[in-house]
Amino acid sequence: GENVEQHPSTLSVQEGDSAVIKCTYSDSASNYFPWYKQELGKRPQLIIDIRSNVGEKKDQRIAVTLNKTAKHFSLHITETQPEDSAVYFCAASADNNNDMRFGAGTRLTVKP
Amino acid sequence: DVKVTQSSRYLVKRTGEKVFLECVQDMDHENMFWYRQDPGLGLRLIYFSYDVKMKEKGDIPEGYSVSREKKERFSLILESASTSQTSMYLCASSLSRGGYEQYFGPGTRLTVT
Repeated sequence: GENVEQHPSTLSVQEGDSAVIKCTYSDSASNYFPWYKQELGKRPQLIIDIRSNVGEKKDQRIAVTLNKTAKHFSLHITETQPEDSAVYFCAASADNNNDMRFGAGTRLTVKP
Repeated sequence: DVKVTQSSRYLVKRTGEKVFLECVQDMDHENMFWYRQDPGLGLRLIYFSYDVKMKEKGDIPEGYSVSREKKERFSLILESASTSQTSMYLCASSLSRGGYEQYFGPGTRLTVT
């Protein structure tokens, strides 16, 4: 089955700096890669996703890149703000699967 | 707006008790999932269901069972609760198989004493 590894487990940046979180996956059939943000005490919510037919997707200050050959994808947050502080999860799934596998999460702290 | 609700936010049970956690979604989603969330371990899949009465084991099914008698409702059952099952339990649903967003419930924090 799919195995998703996520690094780093914790990340601390200064407000205004960029943050990068990286994930690798094992199943070459995976073709959908979402990122979820979980604020303290709240449920995880989708912030951006990418499918295998594109290499990069951007939404304002967040972007995701995908390297299918190397089986890794990354989340980039630019101009970080204190409200970006949260736990971020990457995940992977395939069209012909019913399940999704998540990484262990990255706790991002943005210091004002 | 998709709404996923869970029966309890906080639950305290004794070792050996049978525990039911219920999840309901209101968007006619085919897939439903149960995860447990522990610090440093992320979201680990316990069971999922892709149709009424259909279920598949996830990565950590031991000590758990599930039931899906109606499309909108997915129950997680701890047959005999143990202290190792103290955790946050998250339910989720998605439209169909493969690449679709999962919508999460608010979570149930279960403490087994």
